[in-house]
Amino acid sequence: DAKTTQPNSMESNEEEPVHLPCNHSTISGTDYIHWYRQLPSQGPEYVIHGLTSNVNNRMASLAIAEDRKSSTLILHRATLRDAAVYYCILRDELRNFGNEKLTFGTGTRLTIIP
Amino acid sequence: NAGVMQNPRHLVRRRGQEARLRCSPMKGHSHVYWYRQLPEEGLKFMVYLQKENIIDESGMPKERFSAEFPKEGPSILRIQQVVRGDSAAYFCASSPRQKPQETQYFGPGTRLLVL
Repeated sequence: DAKTTQPNSMESNEEEPVHLPCNHSTISGTDYIHWYRQLPSQGPEYVIHGLTSNVNNRMASLAIAEDRKSSTLILHRATLRDAAVYYCILRDELRNFGNEKLTFGTGTRLTIIP
Repeated sequence: NAGVMQNPRHLVRRRGQEARLRCSPMKGHSHVYWYRQLPEEGLKFMVYLQKENIIDESGMPKERFSAEFPKEGPSILRIQQVVRGDSAAYFCASSPRQKPQETQYFGPGTRLLVL
């Protein structure tokens, strides 16, 4: 499976935008890019996913590089409630068996400074 | 629509006892996944089940661990003869369909402490 690389930690000031990078240089053409986050003492929650085009939803935006070897999760205005570990995960659209599981890396621990 | 429910939220066991962790998926979801998170580590996949079937147990330890998802009732993750190394947070997730791009919805987890 293609792997992802994320910085271990990042800090951001409250109410400022946050850009969380993810490198996936061995991504295949059918890999979706998913982002989940895990708030302290909670289970992970889905944030956003995309294939080739940039995506927006109420939580965040996902910017995907033209060559798809990297992507950036954008929180437009961080709040204290956004402090969490953010995971970038690849999922192959074409593989049905063995790809049901999510493969979590170590993620990026985001700290929000008041 | 209630989310994924797990109980108990906290479980304390002595070495050698059995631990039973329960997971009720979201309404209408027939796919259940169990993950384990050791202290200060990321989540690791354990097992994927559909109703009455184990589909993928590639992440399950070979001994002492078992999982089921009966036709009626919650999914159960069972750990026999627990050891201190089993202390971890165990998360259950569910999804309505099998497609790889399907979102998984996670429960709050069961934190197991083995004394």
